[in-house]
Amino acid sequence: GEDVEQSLFLSVREGDSSVINCTYTDSSSTYLYWYKQEPGAGLQLLTYIFSNMDMKQDQRLTVLLNKKDKHLSLRIADTQTGDSAIYFCAGADGSSNTGKLIFGQGTTLQVKP
Amino acid sequence: SAVISQKPSRDICQRGTSLTIQCQVDSQVTMMFWYRQQPGQSLTLIATANQGSEATYESGFVIDKFPISRPNLTFSTLTVSNMSPEDSSIYLCSVLTVNTEAFFGQGTRLTVV
Repeated sequence: GEDVEQSLFLSVREGDSSVINCTYTDSSSTYLYWYKQEPGAGLQLLTYIFSNMDMKQDQRLTVLLNKKDKHLSLRIADTQTGDSAIYFCAGADGSSNTGKLIFGQGTTLQVKP
Repeated sequence: SAVISQKPSRDICQRGTSLTIQCQVDSQVTMMFWYRQQPGQSLTLIATANQGSEATYESGFVIDKFPISRPNLTFSTLTVSNMSPEDSSIYLCSVLTVNTEAFFGQGTRLTVV
């Protein structure tokens, strides 16, 4: 089955770029997602990428997918204090093709003023 | 997109009792899921809610403990039965749209005392 791994913590200064990394094991994952979770809140879908894409950009967010290395990254440009949150990557379970998501452990992003 | 209304948002329950969580989505979706997020942890899939039939449970989760209903395409309930303090978690409803976007409700924060 799918396994998704993330680094647990990232600290950046306001205005810098943040890069959150994720690796996955299931090469048949069709979609890969990024979510943001603020304290006491649910999960906010930030963006997702189809497995046949290499890159997707949406305003300050850029997703890069390296299928060969099974590596996914989320780059946040001009990081703001409001970006402080936990970021989860998730892969769709390609083996079952049922839309189930397998989540990484989450990366806590701390943005210092 | 899809807007999910999940109720209650939080509850404190006595051990041995049951709590039913409701999930309503504002549009027809292809799939509905229930996830659990234990304190400080990532998300784990409990089950897929199937319309008009029994839910499909993941390993480690059983129907007697987590009965699920999905009477139509836009509504589902999850019951946490015979609760113990170990059931204290955030329970999240998730939907998959026809565009393969996976959205989450705000979650139900359950504390069992």
